[in-house]
Amino acid sequence: EDQVTQSPEALRLQEGESSSLNCSYTVSGLRGLFWYRQDPGKGPEFLFTLYSAGEEKEKERLKATLTKKESFLHITAPKPEDSATYLCAVLGNTGGFKTIFGAGTRLFVKA
Amino acid sequence: SQTIHQWPATLVQPVGSPLSLECTVEGTSNPNLYWYRQAAGRGLQLLFYSVGIGQISSEVPQNLSASRPQDRQFILSSKKLLLSDSGFYLCAWSEGSQPQHFGDGTRLSIL
Repeated sequence: EDQVTQSPEALRLQEGESSSLNCSYTVSGLRGLFWYRQDPGKGPEFLFTLYSAGEEKEKERLKATLTKKESFLHITAPKPEDSATYLCAVLGNTGGFKTIFGAGTRLFVKA
Repeated sequence: SQTIHQWPATLVQPVGSPLSLECTVEGTSNPNLYWYRQAAGRGLQLLFYSVGIGQISSEVPQNLSASRPQDRQFILSSKKLLLSDSGFYLCAWSEGSQPQHFGDGTRLSIL
């Protein structure tokens, strides 16, 4: 059964304090690993897709990396506006187009 | 470009009343469509998904049903709402194995 576990559940940072969020996954044949950002009361906003181990994607202060068992979302010099819940999700070879989502990491960045 | 519309944004309904939430997608043809429910501070629970008109797959036995009367329209319904149906409902679309894109959600409160 495909599974996604995100850690930590919550992370509090000072502005400018870099850190990483973890996404551990188990999937039968990875077709894609996705990162999303979700603000309170809004739908998730797509950030990145990673397809194979060793791949990296960057957008502003965010960089996503992928290994065969984990993905990391690195946040460099975060700002208060980066505060949000970050969701990780995987799409495997079984289950058609069903994407499995983790419970998310709530990030709080204090000025 | 593609857009997704979901309404209403908030809804307060009495127990035992019917429900109809609508979602439409623009700018794409034959998308995969999804309904999720998200409990406070929790991950996304897939309720229904559809790969074509009239094709609905149910993931969780419950008081809800879904229909896809047109290619880019997805409707979530209930004949009689329960207190446990309260939550944040999200509609999403995707093309094949590409990442899903979400609407802004409906906050449903049952009194």
